[in-house]
Order: sequence, then C-alpha cells, then structure tokens
Amino acid sequence: SQTIHQWPATLVQPVGSPLSLECTVEGTSNPNLYWYRQAAGRGLQLLFYSVGIGQISSEVPQNLSASRPQDRQFILSSKKLLLSDSGFYLCAWSAERNIQYFGAGTRLSVL
Amino acid sequence: QKEVEQNSGPLSVPEGAIASLNCTYSDRGSQSFFWYRQYSGKSPELIMFIYSNGDKEDGRFTAQLNKASQYVSLLIRDSQPSDSATYLCAVGYGQNFVFGPGTRLSVLP
Repeated sequence: SQTIHQWPATLVQPVGSPLSLECTVEGTSNPNLYWYRQAAGRGLQLLFYSVGIGQISSEVPQNLSASRPQDRQFILSSKKLLLSDSGFYLCAWSAERNIQYFGAGTRLSVL
Repeated sequence: QKEVEQNSGPLSVPEGAIASLNCTYSDRGSQSFFWYRQYSGKSPELIMFIYSNGDKEDGRFTAQLNKASQYVSLLIRDSQPSDSATYLCAVGYGQNFVFGPGTRLSVLP
C-alpha cells in the first residue's frame, strides 16, 4: 500500500532563516506531488505541484521554492523565511483517478 | 478564476441527526469532486469522491452531485460526536484541485 512521509511535524524558525521540508512517497511510481499551505482557520492554498522529476509548477508568487530530485521525493525550501510564511504545510500525492492523499503536515512558526 | 464556496459554519447538529454540508463551484469544466474531513491540527483525510451526477453512498456518508446547478453536497446520517471536524470540498481540474474554505461541523451529544 502507498504511504506518504512528511517531516518534521513541528518547526519553529526565526525570520530570515532558511527552510527545508521534505516529503517522500512509498508504494507507487511517478506520482503527482503537491505542496499546500493552510493558514490558521483558512482553506488550502496550492503552492507547487510536480508531474515528474525536475518538473515543478508554481501556483503563487512567494519566497518559497520546490524541487523534485527523485521520483518520490518532494522538497519545499526557502532561503529567508518571512513572518507570513507561518502556517501548516501539507504534502500530497496522487496517481490514477487524480485522488489526492495528504501527509501528516508540518506546522511552521516563524518568529 | 476557479472558486469553490462553502458555508464556514459552525454547523451544529444533535447526535443521531443528519448533517448536510453544501458546496458550490464556479467552473462548469470541473470533472471530479471530493470531500475531505480535517480534525483540528491534523491533515485532511479523504471521505468520498464523486464524478457523475446523482448520489453516491458509502456507509453513513452520501455525496450528491448536480453539475447543472454546480452544486455538490455531503450528507452524514446518524451523526456522531466523532464526526465533529471541518469538512473540505475539493473540485478537480485536470491534475489539480481547488479547495473550499471548509465547513466546521459540531455534533452535540
């Protein structure tokens, strides 16, 4: 069966520090991968999606970037965090039928 | 601009009642529709998906889709306190989703 791993679960970072969040999927090949952000009490905002290695599409302008160095690995990065980057970051994958399944999420607080 | 709208709630229903959650979407080109449940502090989990007009039942859950009215709903029968959560409606466009803001459901014992 397919599983998705996302870490860390919680992260507290100072403004201006770098960020790296990692997501890996097991049990499937060539999945579509997604990064979402959810602000407190808000809906999910799609940040990036990827249909294959090295193929990244950005949905919103921001100081974040994403990379997909391997088929089942998706990384969200920032060189310098802003206060507004705080939120709940969710990685998701989909395969056939385009049904998306979510990882456990990373709660990021930028102070 | 593709939009998905939901009443934010909270929607309060007594235990054992039917909870009815509604969602409307703006783009007639949408082909797939999903309901996710999200407990506080947790990630969304898929409850149901529906692609065709009509009803789809899975246990206590029924999804209803009306493409002409651009409307999708979720009915929860015999509501339990454990159903208290935020319910997210998602509309699929190709490989991507647009999520609604979610409806918070509270089932009162």
